[in-house]
Amino acid sequence: NAGVTQTPKFRVLKTGQSMTLLCAQDMNHEYMYWYRQDPGMGLRLIHYSVGEGTTAKGEVPDGYNVSRLKKQNFLLGLESAAPSQTSVYFCASHKRGTGLYEQYFGPGTRLTVT
Amino acid sequence: RKEVEQDPGPFNVPEGATVAFNCTYSNSASQSFFWYRQDCRKEPKLLMSVYSSGNEDGRFTAQLNRASQYISLLIRDSKLSDSATYLCVFENYGGSQGNLIFGKGTKLSVKP
Repeated sequence: NAGVTQTPKFRVLKTGQSMTLLCAQDMNHEYMYWYRQDPGMGLRLIHYSVGEGTTAKGEVPDGYNVSRLKKQNFLLGLESAAPSQTSVYFCASHKRGTGLYEQYFGPGTRLTVT
Repeated sequence: RKEVEQDPGPFNVPEGATVAFNCTYSNSASQSFFWYRQDCRKEPKLLMSVYSSGNEDGRFTAQLNRASQYISLLIRDSKLSDSATYLCVFENYGGSQGNLIFGKGTKLSVKP
């Protein structure tokens, strides 16, 4: 049981490049989330999904797109990376019917945009 | 006023010390509060929930003061392994789907 995994762990992009971050969970959780964490800031919600095929915007969705084609995977896309998107990205999941606080977090992806 | 505010620290304390962190929140409708711990370059992990009557888990005591809109975390007999950033978190249910609101965190460094 791997829990929540994120790919890649580190990435450096140039401004304007695109990339996709993958989050996978093997706990059969319905809810999945993408957060970003910047120095001196709390985690902020980018997008979330309450089930396969559904996504919704969080607090800071601009510049990102997401897809949830399979229940176990939640993809975060950057179409045209900007230096302001340099951050640590965390994915999380939790089971429907449990508290929001019972989210399981992935280890994070450190992204630098130059 | 920001949704949640924490003293960023760092709090530098010797082993065995008692240290307390406070966190203020602005949404008076918030119902559920938590403390998370985040080690350097790691993901946040739930430390404990905060109940209205206050609750204790070993050396850790959490309290909620709804009238003044703050929560606190007290750590007694600090250990080197307590060094981490402590995040104040609450559940926000404005809208169709709730979400967690994270504070910026308070950094604790326990020295030998």
